[in-house]
Amino acid sequence: DSGVTQTPKHLITATGQRVTLRCSPRSGDLSVYWYQQSLDQGLQFLIQYYNGEERAKGNILERFSAQQFPDLHSELNLSSLELGDSALYFCASGEGHNNEQFFGPGTRLTVL
Amino acid sequence: QKEVEQDPGPLSVPEGAIVSLNCTYSNSAFQYFMWYRQYSRKGPELLMYTYSSGNKEDGRFTAQVDKSSKYISLFIRDSQPSDSATYLCACRDSGGYQKVTFGTGTKLQVIP
Repeated sequence: DSGVTQTPKHLITATGQRVTLRCSPRSGDLSVYWYQQSLDQGLQFLIQYYNGEERAKGNILERFSAQQFPDLHSELNLSSLELGDSALYFCASGEGHNNEQFFGPGTRLTVL
Repeated sequence: QKEVEQDPGPLSVPEGAIVSLNCTYSNSAFQYFMWYRQYSRKGPELLMYTYSSGNKEDGRFTAQVDKSSKYISLFIRDSQPSDSATYLCACRDSGGYQKVTFGTGTKLQVIP
């Protein structure tokens, strides 16, 4: 158990809908990272927050947004969902100043 | 062309064999190199972390980085069925908050 929690574990929704994924980092970690993992693209970095501020951005679509709250939990919002958004979404946390990222169990999103 | 390339496998070996997993990368700025292990439907977990070129050993695992050829390797000695998983290499440059770029992963099966 990495200490990172993600909810929900599974999410099934329809195209055009909006969903919110939630992540609680390990105690003491200030950084939260979001990743998308699909079969053909592998693990793709989406965005990083450090102590409430956006720090790095990867291949995140404009339909997606994230934020980190004062209690350091983070939410990833996915809107106008498309079939291709079906994937595993992982959150990872870390101290922010080194390379160790601890991954949560993921949220499996299925868009029908 | 992806920044980090990894043979997807699958790679099947008998129990007790020495396993060699490899990645190549194209970005000369990468300074930090990591190997993650991911069991099916679980979040990746950090196995090894190295900085710049050289070797690092941890139990049955040895990570090697050759920056001159942009080649990174993970060796597993005395492989066990419990090593069966997908192994992801990952690279990062020296910037404080830069994103980590993952390979697509190599699926390993250790046969008893």
